Amino acid sequence: AQTIHQWPVAEIKAVGSPLSLGCTIKGKSSPNLYWYWQATGGTLQQLFYSITVGQVESVVQLNLSASRPKDDQFILSTEKLLLSHSGFYLCAWERTGGYEQYFGPGTRLTVL
Amino acid sequence: AQSVDQPDAHVTLSEGASLELRCSYSYSAAPYLFWYVQYPGQSLQFLLKYITGDTVVKGTKGFEAEFRKSNSSFNLKKSPAHWSDSAKYFCALEAGGSNYKLTFGKGTLLTVTP
Repeated sequence: AQTIHQWPVAEIKAVGSPLSLGCTIKGKSSPNLYWYWQATGGTLQQLFYSITVGQVESVVQLNLSASRPKDDQFILSTEKLLLSHSGFYLCAWERTGGYEQYFGPGTRLTVL
Repeated sequence: AQSVDQPDAHVTLSEGASLELRCSYSYSAAPYLFWYVQYPGQSLQFLLKYITGDTVVKGTKGFEAEFRKSNSSFNLKKSPAHWSDSAKYFCALEAGGSNYKLTFGKGTLLTVTP
């Protein structure tokens, strides 16, 4: 069975500080991977997607970047956090040809 | 461009009643449509999808949805509703054919009273 992990579970960071969030998929080779952001009580905004190692596509510009250093790992980062980065960050995977996405438990980020 | 509209921000009904959550979309070609559920404080869970074929699709937790091309809708249904169905429901659209971009509606918060 496939499992998806995200780390950390929660973060409290200062404006202007760097950030790195991680996501790991186990039990599935070569999945499509996705990052989403959700403001408190809001909808989900797709940020990035990756269909293969080393290849990441940006969907929306929010002063964030993403990388896929390994087949099972997806990293979201920024060098300088803004207040507007606060929210719930979700990683998701999709099996090739499956269409539906399966979400990780998420990371809650508070920027002060 | 693609978009999803969930016109009802909040729906309240009594346990045992039938529920129907509305979703309409805008996309010029064949859409892939999904419903997801988010329980308070949790992540999203996949409920069901429409890709092609039968316009009524069944999913997990006793939910089903009907795809209506004529009015660009994909409404979620369940009967009877249970108090444990209380959650936020999101409709989502992906442009067909390896688009990879998933667009979500704003969600409908469902409250089922015992």
